[in-house]
Amino acid sequence: EPEVTQTPSHQVTQMGQEVILRCVPISNHLYFYWYRQILGQKVEFLVSFYNNEISEKSEIFDDQFSVERPDGSNFTLKIRSTKLEDSAMYFCASSPQGQMGEAFFGQGTRLTVV
Amino acid sequence: SQKIEQNSEALNIQEGKTATLTCNYTNYSPAYLQWYRQDPGRGPVFLLLIRENEKEKRKERLKVTFDTTLKQSLFHITASQPADSATYLCALWYNAGNMLTFGGGTRLMVKP
Repeated sequence: EPEVTQTPSHQVTQMGQEVILRCVPISNHLYFYWYRQILGQKVEFLVSFYNNEISEKSEIFDDQFSVERPDGSNFTLKIRSTKLEDSAMYFCASSPQGQMGEAFFGQGTRLTVV
Repeated sequence: SQKIEQNSEALNIQEGKTATLTCNYTNYSPAYLQWYRQDPGRGPVFLLLIRENEKEKRKERLKVTFDTTLKQSLFHITASQPADSATYLCALWYNAGNMLTFGGGTRLMVKP
């Protein structure tokens, strides 16, 4: 069964360092998303990506965040200068048809900023 | 702004009973509402989608209702099992499918 895959599963980084979280969405999906979940809190929307551009972003997704789809398969989230409060689980998701269907989530990358 | 509210208190029930979880939303009239399951340390997993013109949707032991007048959805698990223990998330698509927003989730604990 097709699935969204994320790497790495766990990343530890020093405050101020750049990190890139990687995702391979399901191959025929058109909509791509990043979410984060701080420990014990709700799943929060960060950004959506469709037709090679950002279609929506939340207030959390400020200038230190960026997304890319560098080739036909990968979808990345970059955090330029990490802060302690960026420590969270980051989930990538993809959807074949946006609001008419479900979103498929990866297993997440646990980011720890020290 | 839009808001999705779920009971943040854990729901504890006995195996075999029916669990009922509530999702309320404000300031929006969604065409679709979804329910997901999340296990600790894992990504959400889709369970059911219900459309605004559907009052009820069933899938095996799961049932979802959608009352657009009350702006509320109820999620039922019948004949609950310990394996049903998880956090259940209500979700709505906003902005033409560009943003899937989740409620805070309700943690369900089914005791044997």
